Amino acid sequence: EVQLLESGGALVQPGGSLRLSCAASGFTFSTYAMSWVRQAPGKGLEWVSAISSGGKPFYADSVKGRFTISRDNSKNTLILQMSSLRTEDTAIYYCAKYPDIAVDDAMDVWGQGTTVTVSS
Amino acid sequence: SYDLTQPPSVSVSPGQTARITCSGNALPKKYAHWYQQKSGQAPVLVIYEDNKRPSGIPERFSGSSSGTMATLTISGARVEDEGDYYCFSADSSGNRYWLFGGGTRLTVL
Repeated sequence: EVQLLESGGALVQPGGSLRLSCAASGFTFSTYAMSWVRQAPGKGLEWVSAISSGGKPFYADSVKGRFTISRDNSKNTLILQMSSLRTEDTAIYYCAKYPDIAVDDAMDVWGQGTTVTVSS
Repeated sequence: SYDLTQPPSVSVSPGQTARITCSGNALPKKYAHWYQQKSGQAPVLVIYEDNKRPSGIPERFSGSSSGTMATLTISGARVEDEGDYYCFSADSSGNRYWLFGGGTRLTVL
């Protein structure tokens, strides 16, 4: 069974940093593109970042220059390094898998999310 | 910046057909995908590449796209179909980013 388990969410002060992880299982992680999607409290979904199976990253304008996506294929883990955090980054962060190597389709499997709260 | 526009809410009675639209200038060139999200749960893909249904998704869910509008249709809507629905697509300008529509709350009662 394909599973994605996010971790690392926490309460952090504005300007701080946080590292989110997504542990993947049940599929050959290295051969699939992956992404992060977030949802602010009471709001809609927002695509944040994605990475191809080969490691090419893509970012939403709202996080470009502050967030870094990466993957550790040896550990089947997707990572989102977040810095210069703002109150508007407060959200549930979902890890999601693409059905192929490229970031060109719909994400077909999602994790249950991890909560990031940015507040003083 | 590019936007995908959805109606905030759609309401139907059980057994009726629900149609949720998604409007975007890049849709003639880019696929539309649809997600269902029930309260407190992660999103679930219900339609991909305009009109394809993932395995396990009931046949009452269908999708279409024409010009700048994509449509998710739920034929014979059930109470359990209530939730938020989001379209998802890509920008076509070469900037390589993806986005969701604002979401549509479907009420079946």
